[in-house]
Order: sequence, then C-alpha cells, then structure tokens
Amino acid sequence: AQTVTQSQPEMSVQEAETVTLSCTYDTSESDYYLFWYKQPPSRQMILVIRQEAYKQQNATENRFSVNFQKAAKSFSLKISDSQLGDAAMYFCAYRSTGNQFYFGTGTSLTVIP
Amino acid sequence: EAGVAQSPRYKIIEKRQSVAFWCNPISGHATLYWYQQILGQGPKLLIQFQNNGVVDDSQLPKDRFSAERLKGVDSTLKIQPAKLEDSAVYLCASSLGWGRAASTDTQYFGPGTRLTVL
Repeated sequence: AQTVTQSQPEMSVQEAETVTLSCTYDTSESDYYLFWYKQPPSRQMILVIRQEAYKQQNATENRFSVNFQKAAKSFSLKISDSQLGDAAMYFCAYRSTGNQFYFGTGTSLTVIP
Repeated sequence: EAGVAQSPRYKIIEKRQSVAFWCNPISGHATLYWYQQILGQGPKLLIQFQNNGVVDDSQLPKDRFSAERLKGVDSTLKIQPAKLEDSAVYLCASSLGWGRAASTDTQYFGPGTRLTVL
C-alpha cells in the first residue's frame, strides 16, 4: 500500500513570513494525484491545493504553492505571506488511479503574530 | 450551496454497544467517502461509494463496521459492537464526479462525528 509521510509534526512561522511543509510518499504507480488539505480547529477539512503527477508544472493557488519532485517522491507545500488564519493542521494526501486515498499524519502549523 | 451534513456531532457509548452515524452529501455529488480519524493521526479511508455502489472498502473492518448508501444519496455508517479503539472522529466527504473524473475532484468534508467508546 502507498504511504504518505509528514516528518514535521509541528511548525511555526512569523506572520507575513514564508513556511514550507514537507511531504514524501511511497508508490510504484506512475499516475496519481497529490493534495494538501487544511484542517482548522473546527475540524472541517478543506482542500488547499492539488497536483496531478503527470503534470511537471508545480501547482499554485494564490499564496500556496507546491514543489513537486516526482523522482524523489516529494511534495512540499509553501505558504507565502503567512496569515493568522493559516494556523491549522495540514495533511498531505495521495490518491491512486484506483481512487484509493491515503493521508499523512499531519503538520500542526502555528502562526506567530 | 449547503455543505456535507453529519449527525450526531458527538456520541459517547459503552464498549460492545452499537452506534450509527449519518451523512448527507452535497446535492448531486456522486461519490461519498467515510473516514476514521484517530486523535493525532490523519484520516483513514474506510469506504468509498460511487452513487450507491461500493468502490473501495478494503480498510473497513467488516466484522464490526457496515455502511450503506441508499438511493445514492444519504449514507449511514454503523459499528456493532464498538471497541475502545473505535474512539475517533468519523468524517464524511463527498465529491461531484465518479470514476476516473473523481480522482481530481475536490472532496468536501463534513464537520465529523466524534465518537468516544468507554
């Protein structure tokens, strides 16, 4: 089975600064999908950004961007100009072409005013 | 647009009792997911429906867990009998597409049901 590893249980960043959250995964598939989800304290999970493995261009959504290194099986999330509302648990997730879904253990992000 | 609804929000039961959770996905969404999120861990997919058919239930403990999605809309997840290790938040999510199109679809999550088994 595929595994998703987030090696940073906790991270902190100063407001307006940039932070990068790490994610690595293990797979033998060549075609798959990767996601970053945000889970604020209210616990409703929301999608931050997604990346199709066949696309070489890194996805970007406003202040959020990814660094997708397919050969290294790495998928990091960069948050620029961090805001207080960015404080949450962030989960990296992998979806196989068979539509099986795997989440990492999460990184708790604190934003320091 | 109404979001994914779940009930109850909280449930406390004794071990060996039964419990059921309900999920109402976003209208028109073909795919529905149930996840188990144990404290300190990421969500684990238990079962995935496309319309009213099961796509994947490989991680569902079928000796005690069951789920159904009647008429391809609402879904219920049942645990019978519950064990201490079932204490978790149970998340329901839905997405619009089905089949391969569902792979890149946004999943919309409900608020979850927090289950405590004593």
